[in-house]
Amino acid sequence: QVQLVESGGGLVKPGGSLRLSCAAAGFTFRDYYMGWIRQAPGKGLEWIAHIGNGGSHINYADSVKGRFIISRDNAQKSMSLQMNSLSADDTAVYYCARVGAGYLTYYFDSWGQGAPVTVSS
Amino acid sequence: DIQMTQSPSSLSASVGDRVTITCRASQGISSYLAWYQQKPGKVPKLLIYDASILQSGVPPRFSGSGSGTDFTLTINSLQPEDVATYYCQKYNSALSLTFGGGTKVEIK
Repeated sequence: QVQLVESGGGLVKPGGSLRLSCAAAGFTFRDYYMGWIRQAPGKGLEWIAHIGNGGSHINYADSVKGRFIISRDNAQKSMSLQMNSLSADDTAVYYCARVGAGYLTYYFDSWGQGAPVTVSS
Repeated sequence: DIQMTQSPSSLSASVGDRVTITCRASQGISSYLAWYQQKPGKVPKLLIYDASILQSGVPPRFSGSGSGTDFTLTINSLQPEDVATYYCQKYNSALSLTFGGGTKVEIK
């Protein structure tokens, strides 16, 4: 079955950087778009970025554009999120998720367990 | 940017009740809408996509309808395990995949 495992979360100071990774298993990773969604404590879901199956077709939410970089390595079946210039507003659980197969199917059909990120001095 | 507004923000219903949650888009999004369930302390789970197609393994008491700007998620015969927060998400454009604010469902 589909498995998505995030790693790299933790505590970081304001202005700092952090890199999240997502390891995929149980499906043909190179065939799927992938994305990141976050959830601040006690808040709702916020899509932040997704990446096409070949590594192009990248889109970011305005809240992270210019600060976060999404990438993937199909050979390693992994995806990453480089997060720079972090602020307290970036404190959240970050979920790795698989985008549905097919044309214009930008919903998320499988999710990882989430990586907590806390930005605090 | 298209905004997604869910109502109500929370509701309390009895076991066996029919529950309806609404999601409204500020502009038309055809049928490019998904619904998710997030149980307390758990990971979100896809329930419905393309506004009305049930994801594999989801109980048939869940159903979705609507197109354009107005959508509904219906739970027929609410069960204790349905206690969760439900989110809608639009995906008519890859540039912005906006979620609604969520609807918390509790048992009365």
